[in-house]
Amino acid sequence: QKEVEQDPGPLSVPEGAIVSLNCTYSNSAFQYFMWYRQYSRKGPELLMYTYSSGNKEDGRFTAQVDKSSKYISLFIRDSQPSDSATYLCAMSLAGGTSYGKLTFGQGTILTVHP
Amino acid sequence: DAGVTQSPTHLIKTRGQQVTLRCSPKSGHDTVSWYQQALGQGPQFIFQYYEEEERQRGNFPDRFSGHQFPNYSSELNVNALLLGDSALYLCASSPTGGSKYTQYFGPGTRLTVL
Repeated sequence: QKEVEQDPGPLSVPEGAIVSLNCTYSNSAFQYFMWYRQYSRKGPELLMYTYSSGNKEDGRFTAQVDKSSKYISLFIRDSQPSDSATYLCAMSLAGGTSYGKLTFGQGTILTVHP
Repeated sequence: DAGVTQSPTHLIKTRGQQVTLRCSPKSGHDTVSWYQQALGQGPQFIFQYYEEEERQRGNFPDRFSGHQFPNYSSELNVNALLLGDSALYLCASSPTGGSKYTQYFGPGTRLTVL
């Protein structure tokens, strides 16, 4: 079993839809949670990060962390064709010898069609 | 302000050869991490360099080695290349004095092993 599970999709939605992307994880010691966006043939771009549980909002993007369920989500409101990309969740421990090592999910391929 | 830069963009090698990939971190960043991303998968952590030392290592064999220079730039070396080493190799940097989990990625080097 992988430490971080993410449905690879692909996910196809119409422009303007609300998109929900999710990851589950098995290591309860993870404390930092990140979402990256990766366009084809490019490096991942950091979208949002949160510490521990709770919600964080940035424009059209909202990240949620539920540590009790070991479940994180990214919501995209009013989705645009330019949001079409692969979305990667990533996690890290708070300290110790593995601090700063990011563990990624497989990525979800999202297509927003006009 | 230039982001993380990597060279070369693409590389083709044959089995058994050796390869060196290069990375320059963002200005104001002193920590460099390397990841391997196979097609359709999330990035996997190789190792992290800080203060010119390898601080953490993922589950990769000793054929993978690295170096960090006094100007914080870094190299990834892979010896005795295998077909399975074909992947996108990503470099990420973290800000000086900041959290090591906050990582900004370069565009990657695509390595093909024939």
